[in-house]
Amino acid sequence: EAGVVQSPRYKIIEKKQPVAFWCNPISGHNTLYWYLQNLGQGPELLIRYENEEAVDDSQLPKDRFSAERLKGVDSTLKIQPAELGDSAVYLCASSFGGFANTGELFFGEGSRLTVL
Amino acid sequence: GDSVTQMEGPVTLSEEAFLTINCTYTATGYPSLFWYVQYPGEGLQLLLKATKADDKGSNKGFEATYRKETTSFHLEKGSVQVSDSAVYFCALYSQGGSEKLVFGKGTKLTVNP
Repeated sequence: EAGVVQSPRYKIIEKKQPVAFWCNPISGHNTLYWYLQNLGQGPELLIRYENEEAVDDSQLPKDRFSAERLKGVDSTLKIQPAELGDSAVYLCASSFGGFANTGELFFGEGSRLTVL
Repeated sequence: GDSVTQMEGPVTLSEEAFLTINCTYTATGYPSLFWYVQYPGEGLQLLLKATKADDKGSNKGFEATYRKETTSFHLEKGSVQVSDSAVYFCALYSQGGSEKLVFGKGTKLTVNP
């Protein structure tokens, strides 16, 4: 069974440029999460989707970040414009039925962003 | 709010040494507790979990016991291997709040042959 797939693995951009990250969750997983992991820190939730609905986006900086999950499968996280402080790893995770039901998230390898 | 505090790393051990990584938490209610592990070049994966006080989670020789009285969930392994080299994250999930895992900062473990 394929795991959570993210792309690109690495991205280097100049500040003020846009960037987008893509995530394909495990087949059948209706819950999708985007996490932000700064260097030396644990992951922090940005947004959670139940199917195509964003049910928790309270931690997403909406002035520059946006996300979508069309058709309730793949998801894209966008930053526009990027700032130096956005340099981090962006993690995608998925679960079936929501974390409360399964107690386990499945993570992708992450997309490492460097903003120069 | 909910939070997790892990011992500072990095931790460097020789093969077959005993491992303890301390984890304490602050949470409202009765959280579930987890250890996730991130091997080099891989995504985070669940190592073990415990959902109520005095539960012991175990996997791959690792163990952690949910101690409500000390609000702790320390990770232990009796004899580490080189292949255990990874970053270990303690995390909690509180029912009834925002459905999210709250992670500690992670502890990097290096095991030398």
